[in-house]
Amino acid sequence: ETGVTQSPTHLIKTRGQQVTLRCSSQSGHNTVSWYQQALGQGPQFIFQYYREEENGRGNFPPRFSGLQFPNYSSELNVNALELDDSALYLCASSSVGGNTIYFGEGSWLTVV
Amino acid sequence: QQQVKQSPQSLIVQKGGIPIINCAYENTAFDYFPWYQQFPGKGPALLIAIRPDVSEKKEGRFTISFNKSAKQFSLHIMDSQPGDSATYFCAASTSRNDYKLSFGAGTTVTVRA
Repeated sequence: ETGVTQSPTHLIKTRGQQVTLRCSSQSGHNTVSWYQQALGQGPQFIFQYYREEENGRGNFPPRFSGLQFPNYSSELNVNALELDDSALYLCASSSVGGNTIYFGEGSWLTVV
Repeated sequence: QQQVKQSPQSLIVQKGGIPIINCAYENTAFDYFPWYQQFPGKGPALLIAIRPDVSEKKEGRFTISFNKSAKQFSLHIMDSQPGDSATYFCAASTSRNDYKLSFGAGTTVTVRA
């Protein structure tokens, strides 16, 4: 167990809808990152949050947005869902400047 | 473009064999190279990691070999067991970029009893 918890574990949405995924980071970790893992592929970095601000972003459009809260928990929001957004969304936490990154079990999103 | 290239895509070995997974990178700014193990339906779990100032690191039955000049690194699983059957991902990141990970495409390892 990594101490990183994500919810929901599975969900199905319709194209064009919006979705919010949630993550609680490991105790003591103040940096949260989100990754998208399509079936059969490696995880792709979406963005990272530190001190409630976005601290770097991968090659994802603005309809992917996030929040980090004072307790270091985080949300990933995706607007105007597309079929290609179907994937496992992984939350990862680490301490600032720390290279040990722990992943949660992920949230499986299916867009139909 | 994919910053870390991983091969093979899949491999099958007999119990006790040594599966070897190879990765290559181009970005010389990378200074941290972790390997993750992922079982179906689970998130990736950190297995072992190496920095470019060493050429080899061992943790239990897992060994990373690192060749800085060739910009390549590999994972060896010694005395492999059926419980090692999983997908393995190499990754790379830079300390200057707060360790945002670039992953390889993954290798599915099957260890037959």
